[in-house]
Amino acid sequence: GAVVSQHPSWVICKSGTSVKIECRSLDFQATTMFWYRQFPKQSLMLMATSNEGSKATYEQGVEKDKFLINHASLTLSTLTVTSAHPEDSSFYICSANRDNYEQYFGPGTRLTVT
Amino acid sequence: RKEVEQDPGPFNVPEGATVAFNCTYSNSASQSFFWYRQDCRKEPKLLMSVYSSGNEDGRFTAQLNRASQYISLLIRDSKLSDSATYLCVFYRRGSARQLTFGSGTQLTVLP
Repeated sequence: GAVVSQHPSWVICKSGTSVKIECRSLDFQATTMFWYRQFPKQSLMLMATSNEGSKATYEQGVEKDKFLINHASLTLSTLTVTSAHPEDSSFYICSANRDNYEQYFGPGTRLTVT
Repeated sequence: RKEVEQDPGPFNVPEGATVAFNCTYSNSASQSFFWYRQDCRKEPKLLMSVYSSGNEDGRFTAQLNRASQYISLLIRDSKLSDSATYLCVFYRRGSARQLTFGSGTQLTVLP
């Protein structure tokens, strides 16, 4: 069964609004979670590393003030896309590590900004 | 040069065929390697890890060549259900378990 969940699975919002995406590890604690973005016909691109109890680490070119990450507990990380624009429309996927190198991915959230 | 390079395909093969994908990487500090499978509009799922000695899982065989800096995936007796995008993925040493993804190779197995 799924070990990482995401909510919502899809969302449509108007330009200028903010959208929050939740990522939960279901039966394990994850001190580190990762947020990826995938545009059509492209691979996953790491946006940021979410660290429980501390600030997220953002990849080069990702605006930390636009993509707010909060990792307040060992089982929950949230990504908020602030003032969304149509170019933010994408497939957002989170992942979490268990105690080995395997990462478990959430089912993804498809965001469409109109 | 990109860190990871894959032939994007598409590879269209008949059922029962054998198909192989390669993936080259440029960073010699790359430590652990994997093949993931991603179906359309779904999250990636781990297919298999890749070990230096080569490893096999049923119809799938993965190999790593550190000297030439590439990994390969061989699929024998292709099934319709093998149709997907195959991503080569690696960890860099000291990267805090951040995965780096190749752009993926699209495979379609035809009846």
